[in-house]
Amino acid sequence: GENVEQHPSTLSVQEGDSAVIKCTYSDSASNYFPWYKQELGKRPQLIIDIRSNVGEKKDQRIAVTLNKTAKHFSLHITETQPEDSAVYFCAARGMNYGGSQGNLIFGKGTKLSVKP
Amino acid sequence: EAQVTQNPRYLITVTGKKLTVTCSQNMNHEYMSWYRQDPGLGLRQIYYSMNVEVTDKGDVPEGYKVSRKEKRNFPLILESPSPNQTSLYFCASRRRSDNEQFFGPGTRLTVL
Repeated sequence: GENVEQHPSTLSVQEGDSAVIKCTYSDSASNYFPWYKQELGKRPQLIIDIRSNVGEKKDQRIAVTLNKTAKHFSLHITETQPEDSAVYFCAARGMNYGGSQGNLIFGKGTKLSVKP
Repeated sequence: EAQVTQNPRYLITVTGKKLTVTCSQNMNHEYMSWYRQDPGLGLRQIYYSMNVEVTDKGDVPEGYKVSRKEKRNFPLILESPSPNQTSLYFCASRRRSDNEQFFGPGTRLTVL
């Protein structure tokens, strides 16, 4: 089955700097890659996602890149702000036998701290 | 308001005392699932359901049961809770044809 590795587990940056979180996946059939942000004591919230037919997607200060050949994808946050401090999870979804969408497999998370 | 709800939000119980955590969604989603979140381990899927009366095991199903008698509800049952089931639990749902998954607010369970 799918396995998702996420690095680093913790990341500390200065306000205004960029932050990059990287994930690798094992199943070449995976075709959907979301990123979730989880603030302390709250539920995970989808912040951006990318499908396997796209190499890059951007939404204001956040962007995701996907390298299908290398089976890795990354989250980029530019001009970080203190409110970006949270735990970020990547995930990957492949296809089940029979063609239905499979389950999301999550990475272990990255705790991002943005220092003012 | 479209949402996923869970109850209770917090629960402290003792080993062996059966409990049920309820999950309900009002978005007519076919797919529902349960995750547990533990420090350093991320989100691990316990059980999922593709539709009414269709359930299957996730990655960590031992010690849990589920049922899906109605489309909107997907309760998680711990027949005989043990301390290693102390965790933060999330229910989630999505439309079968969509990718985006919506999470409930979480249930923090402590088993003494």
